[in-house]
Amino acid sequence: AQTVTQSQPEMSVQEAETVTLSCTYDTSESDYYLFWYKQPPSRQMILVIRQEAYKQQNATENRFSVNFQKAAKSFSLKISDSQLGDAAMYFCAYRGYNNNDMRFGAGTRLTVKP
Amino acid sequence: ETGVTQTPRHLVMGMTNKKSLKCEQHLGHNAMYWYKQSAKKPLELMFVYNFKEQTENNSVPSRFSPECPNSSHLFLHLHTLQPEDSALYLCASSSQGSGGAKETQYFGPGTRLLVL
Repeated sequence: AQTVTQSQPEMSVQEAETVTLSCTYDTSESDYYLFWYKQPPSRQMILVIRQEAYKQQNATENRFSVNFQKAAKSFSLKISDSQLGDAAMYFCAYRGYNNNDMRFGAGTRLTVKP
Repeated sequence: ETGVTQTPRHLVMGMTNKKSLKCEQHLGHNAMYWYKQSAKKPLELMFVYNFKEQTENNSVPSRFSPECPNSSHLFLHLHTLQPEDSALYLCASSSQGSGGAKETQYFGPGTRLLVL
């Protein structure tokens, strides 16, 4: 079974600085999707960024970018120019190409210090 | 974000009660999901419906009973729950089988359930 590991339960960053959240996963599949979701105190799960495994280019969404290392099964999230509104739980998730089951990591709580 | 809505947002129930959670998606998706989020545990997938047919049931106790009358609506019927069932229940939807960005799951705001 696929597993997703987020080794950092908590991270903090100074406002306007850059922070990287780590995620590793275990799979035997070659095609799959990877996601980062953000869950602020409101509890709404919001998609931050997604990556398709067959794409070598790292996904980027404004201040959010990923470092996808397929061979190492690593999928880290970089947040540049951190803002107070970035404070939230961040979940890394994996989904196989041909199945419904999305696996989530345990999450990383990000604190942004003013 | 109004693509996926859930009601009620908060629910307190006794162990002998029967209640239902409702989820509605306005995104034209064909797949819907129920997740359970407990404190200090990863999100757990409970049920998956694809084109109104249940395709996944991850060993969920029978006191949780899902219903999907159409592709836009998903219910979770609750009866004789236990205190350990207290959690945030999240609904999500996606366009299953379409590939690419449409495979992304979009979540509702969740129902916070407390079982006394």
